[in-house]
Amino acid sequence: EPEVTQTPSHQVTQMGQEVILRCVPISNHLYFYWYRQILGQKVEFLVSFYNNEISEKSEIFDDQFSVERPDGSNFTLKIRSTKLEDSAMYFCASRDRTGTEKLFFGSGTQLSVL
Amino acid sequence: SQQGEEDPQALSIQEGENATMNCSYKTSINNLQWYRQNSGRGLVHLILIRSNEREKHSGRLRVTLDTSKKSSSLLITASRAADTASYFCALASGAGSYQLTFGKGTKLSVIP
Repeated sequence: EPEVTQTPSHQVTQMGQEVILRCVPISNHLYFYWYRQILGQKVEFLVSFYNNEISEKSEIFDDQFSVERPDGSNFTLKIRSTKLEDSAMYFCASRDRTGTEKLFFGSGTQLSVL
Repeated sequence: SQQGEEDPQALSIQEGENATMNCSYKTSINNLQWYRQNSGRGLVHLILIRSNEREKHSGRLRVTLDTSKKSSSLLITASRAADTASYFCALASGAGSYQLTFGKGTKLSVIP
């Protein structure tokens, strides 16, 4: 079964450093998402991306965050200058264009900001 | 903001018993989805129920939706130890929005 792939599985960084989280969505999917989950808390929406542009973003997704689809397969989340509170599990998700509205999630990248 | 609230926060049952989890929400929805998350892993879609549906089944899963009470329930019948996971309801409001809003989840433990 096709799956969403995320790399790396764990990322440790120093506060103030830039990080790029990478995702390979399912190949025929057209909608892409980033969510995050702080330990023990709910899964929070960050951003959705369709047709090479952001379609929605949450209040969390401020100027420090950006997304990009640099080629036909990768979808990246960049955090320009990480803060301690950015420590979380970041999930990439995708869905196709047809009537099904379910999301397919990757296994996540655990980001630890020290 | 729209958010599902699951109840209970944690549930512990014996293998073979049924598990029921509830989700309440505040505003109108297009559909409601249930996801499962094993510890430290991604979310896996279980079932979707649309606002004009009242009940859906998938294997050992049964989902109900009561839009007048703004609530949904997920029933897992004949639970197994492998059902141990966190279960989240996720709300799709529609109206041109494709994001899902998740609740805090119910942590289910099935004891062998």
